[in-house]
Amino acid sequence: GDSVTQMEGPVTLSEEAFLTINCTYTATGYPSLFWYVQYPGEGLQLLLKATKADDKGSNKGFEATYRKETTSFHLEKGSVQVSDSAVYFCARNPYAGGTSYGKLTFGQGTILTVHP
Amino acid sequence: GAVVSQHPSWVICKSGTSVKIECRSLDFQATTMFWYRQFPKQSLMLMATSNEGSKATYEQGVEKDKFLINHASLTLSTLTVTSAHPEDSSFYICSATSREGTYNEQFFGPGTRLTVL
Repeated sequence: GDSVTQMEGPVTLSEEAFLTINCTYTATGYPSLFWYVQYPGEGLQLLLKATKADDKGSNKGFEATYRKETTSFHLEKGSVQVSDSAVYFCARNPYAGGTSYGKLTFGQGTILTVHP
Repeated sequence: GAVVSQHPSWVICKSGTSVKIECRSLDFQATTMFWYRQFPKQSLMLMATSNEGSKATYEQGVEKDKFLINHASLTLSTLTVTSAHPEDSSFYICSATSREGTYNEQFFGPGTRLTVL
């Protein structure tokens, strides 16, 4: 079945460091891929998404590229800030585009802590 | 952007009582709403999918008689935890998919923290 695997955390970085959080997915169907962020005490917010191979999603300095050949969707940011401290979830749905959406399958989440 | 609210944001109840959690799409009509459960420091587990006007579809291992879901309108879904026990304590999150705009996107509520004593 569908699954998503994220690198285990927690990840602790100093401010302005480079961030990579790895995410791989099972290559069934033609999924859309997502990164969600959950700040302390809040619900999930969509950070970025990509709906087909080679698409790059970007938002707030974060980027992720849909790599079909490696079934990956790694999250990167060139210079993290303290305010980026949160839990990050990679997710996929069963289908791509069109009118189909389906259930999201989430990775286990990666806790990021950024120190000043 | 699309906003989903949940009420209450937290609730404490005694063992054996029932608790109702509401999920509302505030500025759009939700074709489908999803209910998730999140344990501390763990990922979200999908409990059920509910479509307006029809019975919810529960994931394997989720007791439908314990977690009652009603999706009475395009803007409201409710989750009732019946005869709650301490092991039901968790963070419950709903999400909604809009009829309009991006078909792939789900919008999440802020979650409800349930503590059963």
